[in-house]
Amino acid sequence: EDQVTQSPEALRLQEGESSSLNCSYTVSGLRGLFWYRQDPGKGPEFLFTLYSAGEEKEKERLKATLTKKESFLHITAPKPEDSATYLCAVQVEFSQGARDDKIIFGKGTRLHILP
Amino acid sequence: GAVVSQHPSWVICKSGTSVKIECRSLDFQATTMFWYRQFPKQSLMLMATSNEGSKATYEQGVEKDKFLINHASLTLSTLTVTSAHPEDSSFYICSAQKGYSYNEQFFGPGTRLTVL
Repeated sequence: EDQVTQSPEALRLQEGESSSLNCSYTVSGLRGLFWYRQDPGKGPEFLFTLYSAGEEKEKERLKATLTKKESFLHITAPKPEDSATYLCAVQVEFSQGARDDKIIFGKGTRLHILP
Repeated sequence: GAVVSQHPSWVICKSGTSVKIECRSLDFQATTMFWYRQFPKQSLMLMATSNEGSKATYEQGVEKDKFLINHASLTLSTLTVTSAHPEDSSFYICSAQKGYSYNEQFFGPGTRLTVL
């Protein structure tokens, strides 16, 4: 069964304290992995797409990496405004064309940065 | 950018009534739109995939007669919750995808539905 697991469920950090969020996946065929940020009561906001093992992408204090089994979202010197829930999602191949692919979301990591 | 809007942002209704939620892609044409439901502290659960001009594809366990989806144009999809009950109370989020390739989805801000 295709599965996406995020850990930890919740994380509290002091401002400036770097850490990493994990997204591990077990899927039949990975088409792409996505990271989103979701603030309370709002829809997810796109951060990154990763397509192949070894790929890395950066945006401000965030860096996403991908292996064949998991992805990490590294946050460097976080600020209180980085507090949010971070969601990981995978696009799973269903057939040769991407049109029938499935999207599976993890439950997210609630990140709280203390000033 | 790629902006997706939803209307209304929140709605309270009585049990047994129907509620319509609109999802619009404002600055691009979305051939595929997705509808999700999210319970507190839970993940987004895909309800259905909607392609313009064709019937929606529902995920297993989602009642298509209860959650009516219409994708009338390349910029508008609607979700109607028919005969709503308290257990239908949730956060409903739509997303829109550009083209047919595996691009990232762009999400709407969500609609909070409360059924009394």
